[in-house]
Amino acid sequence: EPEVTQTPSHQVTQMGQEVILRCVPISNHLYFYWYRQILGQKVEFLVSFYNNEISEKSEIFDDQFSVERPDGSNFTLKIRSTKLEDSAMYFCASGGGNNQPQHFGDGTRLSIL
Amino acid sequence: EDQVTQSPEALRLQEGESSSLNCSYTVSGLRGLFWYRQDPGKGPEFLFTLYSAGEEKEKERLKATLTKKESFLHITAPKPEDSATYLCAVVNSGGYQKVTFGTGTKLQVIP
Repeated sequence: EPEVTQTPSHQVTQMGQEVILRCVPISNHLYFYWYRQILGQKVEFLVSFYNNEISEKSEIFDDQFSVERPDGSNFTLKIRSTKLEDSAMYFCASGGGNNQPQHFGDGTRLSIL
Repeated sequence: EDQVTQSPEALRLQEGESSSLNCSYTVSGLRGLFWYRQDPGKGPEFLFTLYSAGEEKEKERLKATLTKKESFLHITAPKPEDSATYLCAVVNSGGYQKVTFGTGTKLQVIP
């Protein structure tokens, strides 16, 4: 069964450094998403991406964050200057269309020191 | 603002002891309600989508139902492998695809 894959599984970065999280969505999906989950808290929406542009973003997704689909298979989340509070599990998801369920990867655990 | 509240926060069942998990929601027009299962250290795994009040979906020991204000996930004769956190999430009719999650119900099934 096709699945969403994320790399790396764990990323440790110094505060103030840039980090790029990578995702390979399910191949025939058109909608792509990033979520985060701080330890012990709920899954929070960050951004949705469709037709090579951001379609919706939350208040968490400020100027420090950016997303990109650099080729036909990868989808990335960049955090320009990381803060301690960016430490969380980051999930990528993809979906086939409106009202279709989103399928999640197993996440990247980001630890900011 | 969309809100999703799940109860109970945690539930401990004996193997074979049926129960229900509750998800209450407030949205400005429901486009869809989703149930996911999340195992420790893993991403949410899709279970069901419900679109309108009165709709029901079933999969093995799980059955999801939907009313205009809440959804239930019924677990019949659970097994230890059903132990996980169950997440409820909604998409409103105005949002493009933004999913709002609840905090989940952590289910433990004891042999």
